[in-house]
Amino acid sequence: NAGVTQTPKFQVLKTGQSMTLQCAQDMNHEYMSWYRQDPGMGLRLIHYSVGAGITDQGEVPNGYNVSRSTTEDFPLRLLSAAPSQTSVYFCASRQDRGELFFGEGSRLTVL
Amino acid sequence: AQSVTQPDIHITVSEGASLELRCNYSYGATPYLFWYVQSPGQGLQLLLKYFSGDTLVQGIKGFEAEFKRSQSSFNLRKPSVHWSDAAEYFCAVGPTGGYNKLIFGAGTRLAVHP
Repeated sequence: NAGVTQTPKFQVLKTGQSMTLQCAQDMNHEYMSWYRQDPGMGLRLIHYSVGAGITDQGEVPNGYNVSRSTTEDFPLRLLSAAPSQTSVYFCASRQDRGELFFGEGSRLTVL
Repeated sequence: AQSVTQPDIHITVSEGASLELRCNYSYGATPYLFWYVQSPGQGLQLLLKYFSGDTLVQGIKGFEAEFKRSQSSFNLRKPSVHWSDAAEYFCAVGPTGGYNKLIFGAGTRLAVHP
């Protein structure tokens, strides 16, 4: 019963490097999303998807790309990392109007 | 603009004391309302949710919340706090239709003294 799995849990990047945060869910949820969590700001929505092949922007999409080729996977790509992208990233999924299920988070530091 | 305000950044209570965490929202229509809890180093877990009906909602771990439309509030309560309740609590609001994009408050960090 894995739920939502995120990898890696920790990552350190240099400014300008690119990387992909992986997210996989085994609950057959149509809706998947990425949030970033920063102190004093709660969680802010980066991108979301309502099904394979369908993605849309959230509140803070700049600097991030997503794709949804399968129901299970929803990777988040940082094209050219910046120190402002230092944060904890959470992937979450849900079905219809059900609750959001969160992964355990990926802590990213950009030097 | 849609927003969620949690006025208290930090709250400290003694074990066994009662707890109320405040949540106020600004939303154009009747929203769905949620409370999530986050333990250190963990993801968020749903405590309770309000969709419609009875405005007093019961959740897990002995928590409850009351939706007050006139005050645009959804405060979280617990009659007797346990040391294990120390965590960060997030209120969230979302639209009633379709796949909602939840808007989260900034969170309230709860400390529990023995």
